[in-house]
Amino acid sequence: EAGVAQSPRYKIIEKRQSVAFWCNPISGHATLYWYQQILGQGPKLLIQFQNNGVVDDSQLPKDRFSAERLKGVDSTLKIQPAKLEDSAVYLCASSKRTGNTEAFFGQGTRLTVV
Amino acid sequence: QKEVEQDPGPLSVPEGAIVSLNCTYSNSAFQYFMWYRQYSRKGPELLMYTYSSGNKEDGRFTAQVDKSSKYISLFIRDSQPSDSATYLCATAEDFGNEKLTFGTGTRLTIIP
Repeated sequence: EAGVAQSPRYKIIEKRQSVAFWCNPISGHATLYWYQQILGQGPKLLIQFQNNGVVDDSQLPKDRFSAERLKGVDSTLKIQPAKLEDSAVYLCASSKRTGNTEAFFGQGTRLTVV
Repeated sequence: QKEVEQDPGPLSVPEGAIVSLNCTYSNSAFQYFMWYRQYSRKGPELLMYTYSSGNKEDGRFTAQVDKSSKYISLFIRDSQPSDSATYLCATAEDFGNEKLTFGTGTRLTIIP
C-alpha cells in the first residue's frame, strides 16, 4: 500500500513570498490532516478535512494560510505571504475515517523562509 | 503551561540498556495516549497507543499511563541502535480522530 505522498520535499523562499504544498493521501482515506512541526517541537494540527469538508481549522492562521481539498482526495496548503516564523516541516497525514483509526504521516515538506 | 510536557533530551544510552521516556499532561479529558517514533527527515509513525490508565506491551516496548497523576511513560527493553530516533508522546480525547496534542519529542541515541 502506497503511503502519504507530499511534495516538494524542500522549499526555500524569501519572506513575503507565497508557497504551496501538495499532499496525496493513502487511497480510500477520507480524513486528511495538515500539521506544522517547528524545529524542536511536536507537530501542531493546522487543519483537518473529512472528505472535502473542513472539520477543524481552529489553529490555522487564516490571514496567511489557506488549504483546500478538492474532490476529497489531494490537498494543497498555501502560505501567502510567508513570514520567517513559518519555517517548519509541514506534515500531511491521512486516516480511513474520523474516529478510532490510525493516522499515517507523510515525510513532510521542509520550508525555510529567509 | 503546555498541554503535554516532554523532556526534550537528548538522551544517549548504550545498546542493551532499558530506556524510559516520560510525558505529563494537564487536560483530564484526554483518554487516548500514543507514542510516535520519528526518524530523521521522516514523518512520525505510530508505535503504540493505550486507552485510559494501564499498561500495554508490544515486544520490547511497554507503554504506561497513570491518569491519576497525568503521567505517560514508554519503556524500551534491550535497546538497539535502530531505536535511535525522536519519540513523541501524543494525547487525544478520541483515538485517531483529531486533534492529536503532541509533546515536544525526546531525541534518543542508542550507542553500539
